Amino acid sequence: DQQVKQNSPSLSVQEGRISILNCDYTNSMFDYFLWYKKYPAEGPTFLISISSIKDKNEDGRFTVFLNKSAKHLSLHIVPSQPGDSAVYFCAALRETSGSRLTFGEGTQLTVNP
Amino acid sequence: DSGVTQTPKHLITATGQRVTLRCSPRSGDLSVYWYQQSLDQGLQFLIQYYNGEERAKGNILERFSAQQFPDLHSELNLSSLELGDSALYFCASSVGMGTGLYEQYFGPGTRLTVT
Repeated sequence: DQQVKQNSPSLSVQEGRISILNCDYTNSMFDYFLWYKKYPAEGPTFLISISSIKDKNEDGRFTVFLNKSAKHLSLHIVPSQPGDSAVYFCAALRETSGSRLTFGEGTQLTVNP
Repeated sequence: DSGVTQTPKHLITATGQRVTLRCSPRSGDLSVYWYQQSLDQGLQFLIQYYNGEERAKGNILERFSAQQFPDLHSELNLSSLELGDSALYFCASSVGMGTGLYEQYFGPGTRLTVT
C-alpha cells in the first residue's frame, strides 16, 4: 500500500521558469510533510517542511503548499536553476509514531539552461 | 555536508555472509534512523533508535538487526545475505522526540552489493 505517491516520475522545465512537483497521500493521520532533494550517489538533502496546521511554507526559492482536504501537497521552485536538477522526494510522518518517514517514489526534475 | 557519516561507502560481499554498517549522527542528535533504497522499492524505513533504545520498526527482516551505542553511533547488522539485499542503506538522524523538530538529515549511504 503506497501511502505517499508522486505520480510524475519526471519533469522538465526551462531555467528561470517555475517547477511544480506534486505529491498525494492517502493516510489522513499524517500530520507533517517534508521535501528532500537527492543527487546521484548522495543521501537525500532536506529542503523544506510543513506542518498540517499550515497551508503554506516558504524558504527562499522553495514554497510548499498543503491542501489537507485533497490530501495533496506541492513544491514550487521559482526561479528554477540548472543546479536544481535532481530527484525530489516528498515524505510524510505521524508526529505520534516515532517520526518514521514514509517516502514517495520520487520525481526526476531536469532544469534545462 | 549533513553532518551524518556512514562507513563504509561501498561493500561487496557474497551470499550467506554477514556485514555491519556504521553510522555517526549529527552532533546533538539523539534519534537515528535506518532506511533501505532498492531499485524497485524506493526508500523504505527499517528501524529507529532514540538515545540507545529502539523506538520504531518498519519493514526490517529478521536477518537484520541494529543497535545504538552510548556515544549515539549506530550499527546495522545484516546476516545470511541474499542477492535481494543489494541496495543503498541510508542512516539519518534528528534532534529527537517531543521536540517538534522532525527534519531528518541523511548520510551519504552505504552501497551494498551481494554477489
